[in-house]
Amino acid sequence: AQSVTQPDIHITVSEGASLELRCNYSYGATPYLFWYVQSPGQGLQLLLKYFSGDTLVQGIKGFEAEFKRSQSSFNLRKPSVHWSDAAEYFCAVGVLTGGGNKLTFGTGTQLKVEL
Amino acid sequence: DTAVSQTPKYLVTQMGNDKSIKCEQNLGHDTMYWYKQDSKKFLKIMFSYNNKELIINETVPNRFSPKSPDKAHLNLHINSLELGDSAVYFCASTAGGETQYFGPGTRLLVL
Repeated sequence: AQSVTQPDIHITVSEGASLELRCNYSYGATPYLFWYVQSPGQGLQLLLKYFSGDTLVQGIKGFEAEFKRSQSSFNLRKPSVHWSDAAEYFCAVGVLTGGGNKLTFGTGTQLKVEL
Repeated sequence: DTAVSQTPKYLVTQMGNDKSIKCEQNLGHDTMYWYKQDSKKFLKIMFSYNNKELIINETVPNRFSPKSPDKAHLNLHINSLELGDSAVYFCASTAGGETQYFGPGTRLLVL
């Protein structure tokens, strides 16, 4: 069965600093990988996804992530964090199942931004 | 236009009651899901329907019963509510194996 590990429960960065959120997955085949963001009291918004092809994927809000098969990782990065980026970030691995895509989520990383 | 909508947004009820949460998507997707997010924010899939057919049924108590009257709707009925059912329930939809789009969530509090 697939699994996702987000080793950092909380991360605090200063506004303008760079950011990297770690994600490691376990899955026997090439995975579908996702990063979602959840602001307080809100639903989940897709930041970016990797299905195949270029291992560096660009997303919304200036985020990017790199798929590294050798390390089973899909880390999320942003060169300069804005105060509005403070939120909960979830990495997920998707497995095609009966016409859909079953997502398994990591436990999330809460990002705090210091002004 | 809301892509995936859920009603109600908040639900406060007593133990032992029966309640339903409704989900509608206007994206033309053929697969819909229910997820549960617990108090530690852990998200776990509960059910998935594809063209009104149940395709994923995780280890969820049978007090939870999903119903899909058509491709655009997936409702969740919960019988005999327990304290541990308190959580945020998210509906999502997708076309095939593509990206899942999530609703805003229903915050259920069982007293």
